Amino acid sequence: IAGITQAPTSQILAAGRRMTLRCTQDMRHNAMYWYRQDLGLGLRLIHYSNTAGTTGKGEVPDGYSVSRANTDDFPLTLASAVPSQTSVYFCASSEDRVTEQFFGPGTRLTVL
Amino acid sequence: GENVEQHPSTLSVQEGDSAVIKCTYSDSASNYFPWYKQELGKRPQLIIDIRSNVGEKKDQRIAVTLNKTAKHFSLHITETQPEDSAVYFCAAIASGYSTLTFGKGTMLLVSP
Repeated sequence: IAGITQAPTSQILAAGRRMTLRCTQDMRHNAMYWYRQDLGLGLRLIHYSNTAGTTGKGEVPDGYSVSRANTDDFPLTLASAVPSQTSVYFCASSEDRVTEQFFGPGTRLTVL
Repeated sequence: GENVEQHPSTLSVQEGDSAVIKCTYSDSASNYFPWYKQELGKRPQLIIDIRSNVGEKKDQRIAVTLNKTAKHFSLHITETQPEDSAVYFCAAIASGYSTLTFGKGTMLLVSP
């Protein structure tokens, strides 16, 4: 059982390019989340999905989009990357809103 | 929305000492309070959580206490060990909210 996986592990991207970060879970969790983590700022929620077919905006959604076509996958897209989007991105999933969130291993993204 | 404040931002202790991290929350309807540990370069992982119908929960050397009147909850680590060194995040969620709100984290350093 893989749990929750993310790809790529790391990426260097030129500003202005489009990028999709992938996230897949095999736990059949209803809820999925995308966070970014910057030094000293903790975990900031970008977007979330409480169930397949629905998504919502978190604290810092600008410049990012998500889709939830099925239970397992929750890709995060940067339409036109900017240097301020340099960060470590964590995907997470949970059975519902008030249960443990399981985090993926993270994607380290550098936008130059 | 919910606001979670976490203190201190950094905490240094000697091995064997106790460590206490405190969080306050703003929404009196909050009913789920998890704590996550993130070791350097790793993903956050749940270490303990508490729900609003109990005041204290223990798991070996760690415990969490909840004071609903004062709207704060604390993580207590006894007999600290070097492997307890990590960043700890508190979080809270109230009914009606879709996602957890995380504190900004506490870096705990346990010196041998």
